[in-house]
Amino acid sequence: EAQVTQNPRYLITVTGKKLTVTCSQNMNHEYMSWYRQDPGLGLRQIYYSMNVEVTDKGDVPEGYKVSRKEKRNFPLILESPSPNQTSLYFCASSLLAGVNEQYFGPGTRLTVT
Amino acid sequence: AQSVTQPDIHITVSEGASLELRCNYSYGATPYLFWYVQSPGQGLQLLLKYFSGDTLVQGIKGFEAEFKRSQSSFNLRKPSVHWSDAAEYFCAVDSGGYQKVTFGTGTKLQVIP
Repeated sequence: EAQVTQNPRYLITVTGKKLTVTCSQNMNHEYMSWYRQDPGLGLRQIYYSMNVEVTDKGDVPEGYKVSRKEKRNFPLILESPSPNQTSLYFCASSLLAGVNEQYFGPGTRLTVT
Repeated sequence: AQSVTQPDIHITVSEGASLELRCNYSYGATPYLFWYVQSPGQGLQLLLKYFSGDTLVQGIKGFEAEFKRSQSSFNLRKPSVHWSDAAEYFCAVDSGGYQKVTFGTGTKLQVIP
């Protein structure tokens, strides 16, 4: 089944404790992206990647890191999480950027205390 | 910079009534436009997209949208709403292949019997 998977689905952590949210797609998509969703703000793009080893900042990249060492994986790293990073995070992928629709993962709800 | 405005935060319609959700975008050229739906606790699913050609596009679940360049709008419509359409709807714009995707803040649809 074609899908985007994220792990973990739920995470509660403390300020400053490094964490990684994994994202994997099995559709051989070139484009992958991370979003955060906050009430009243919709989805905001954090980082995106056009292909392996090619990443770029979205609208809200501060406090996040990403890497794209393999085509299928696009982990989101929070080196030192803070409470303002409490949010619902979505990973998405598409065959290419532009006209292609994005396929979204199920989301990761992160709480930083 | 591109932007997307969904002026209605919350809309309530009766089952069987028609629906129109508004979306206005700001972008210099013709953008790629999308409507996604998010059911409670789920990721986002594509309803329809527009990037060229016929300005009236058909999507899944009986939805359609019309691109109006003169009004910078891409409104979503459905002639008869079903209770299962209750969800949050997001309009999104991709700046013609430059990989940066901007979402609107969403419109939450409530359907009453």
